[in-house]
Amino acid sequence: DAGVTQSPTHLIKTRGQHVTLRCSPISGHKSVSWYQQVLGQGPQFIFQYYEKEERGRGNFPDRFSARQFPNYSSELNVNALLLGDSALYLCASRGVGVGAYNSPLHFGNGTRLTVT
Amino acid sequence: AQSVTQLDSHVSVSEGTPVLLRCNYSSSYSPSLFWYVQHPNKGLQLLLKYTSAATLVKGINGFEAEFKKSETSFHLTKPSAHMSDAAEYFCVVSGWQAGTALIFGKGTTLSVSS
Repeated sequence: DAGVTQSPTHLIKTRGQHVTLRCSPISGHKSVSWYQQVLGQGPQFIFQYYEKEERGRGNFPDRFSARQFPNYSSELNVNALLLGDSALYLCASRGVGVGAYNSPLHFGNGTRLTVT
Repeated sequence: AQSVTQLDSHVSVSEGTPVLLRCNYSSSYSPSLFWYVQHPNKGLQLLLKYTSAATLVKGINGFEAEFKKSETSFHLTKPSAHMSDAAEYFCVVSGWQAGTALIFGKGTTLSVSS
């Protein structure tokens, strides 16, 4: 079975540009979350989506937005890129149902974004 | 509010010796706790999880962790380190509500020497 897949794997952008990152969850998983991992730090929660609705948002500016599609895949968009947005962006999916609150997240390998 | 504190930013061991990675948590209700591992340039892989069943949790690759409520700790151990265990390890807490975000510790880098 395919795991969580993310594209692209690497991306280089210039300050002020816009970027779109894509994620496909594990088949059957309806919840997708996005995390930002700056070098040397633990991942920080950005968004969670379930059934195409935003269910949680971390402490990130409005330049960050996301959406979930009917097939449960997701996009993360970042506008007006800053140097500090350089990071590994991780997507994770989780099966939702009875007891899902304690089911672990399954992570993709991430998209490495470099802003110059 | 929930949080986790990983007490060591870097742990170095020799191959074949025991591993201990320390984690303390803070939660206003019964938490779910996880350990994830991240190898260089890779995503995160689940090692094990605690969800209020047995307090001693066994995970993959010989790792285990013990939930101690009185000490608010969830330390990760392995009896004998292998070179392939060298990686970044994250202690993680999650709330009981569906969809709650995971809160990650800052990570512990495990180095294994031959």
